[in-house]
Amino acid sequence: SAVISQKPSRDICQRGTSLTIQCQVDSQVTMMFWYRQQPGQSLTLIATANQGSEATYESGFVIDKFPISRPNLTFSTLTVSNMSPEDSSIYLCSVEKRAGGILSPLHFGNGTRLTVT
Amino acid sequence: AQKVTQAQTEISVVEKEDVTLDCVYETRDTTYYLFWYKQPPSGELVFLIRRNSFDEQNEISGRYSWNFQKSTSSFNFTITASQVVDSAVYFCALNDYKLSFGAGTTVTVRA
Repeated sequence: SAVISQKPSRDICQRGTSLTIQCQVDSQVTMMFWYRQQPGQSLTLIATANQGSEATYESGFVIDKFPISRPNLTFSTLTVSNMSPEDSSIYLCSVEKRAGGILSPLHFGNGTRLTVT
Repeated sequence: AQKVTQAQTEISVVEKEDVTLDCVYETRDTTYYLFWYKQPPSGELVFLIRRNSFDEQNEISGRYSWNFQKSTSSFNFTITASQVVDSAVYFCALNDYKLSFGAGTTVTVRA
């Protein structure tokens, strides 16, 4: 398994500002993902963070709004830009490992609870 | 189209009752993985069980058991002798080329 440290754990931000969320893993991982969980909802994949190249975004999410960095195999950041109250959600980092062709369960950080006022 | 369907939105039981959560999935891939995750009120997502598409053997792990049926594309999960600490939202998830979550089932176990 992987230990994932995500910070901040929570934040209250004003509309129009930006917040960068950090995700640090204790070991090298193949894939890193960012998810959003809106209040009372399920998890929605925002993007796959690719090491050394631009992130791959899911439908409905764009780089200008959610820029992502992944400078190495253990670290990634997600920025929520120009925030509005609709961005109030839990943002979760997750990682995937493959060993011998076997996919590990996706492990999740504890999430960042973002409230935009 | 929804890839993972959890038909039950909420389930409420009394302690020691069994709880079965339904999950139906949709994929065209022959190789895929299915998961159940638990999200207690504290918010963290906890991995419970994993099953790959080539292994239909159903197992029991403590108070958890699952029933994987490829023929009906179902991956149901049962908590036996439920406890108050089992109260949480339970998500079924499918990983074919990416991980897709169901809408979740809120389980409330009353003392």
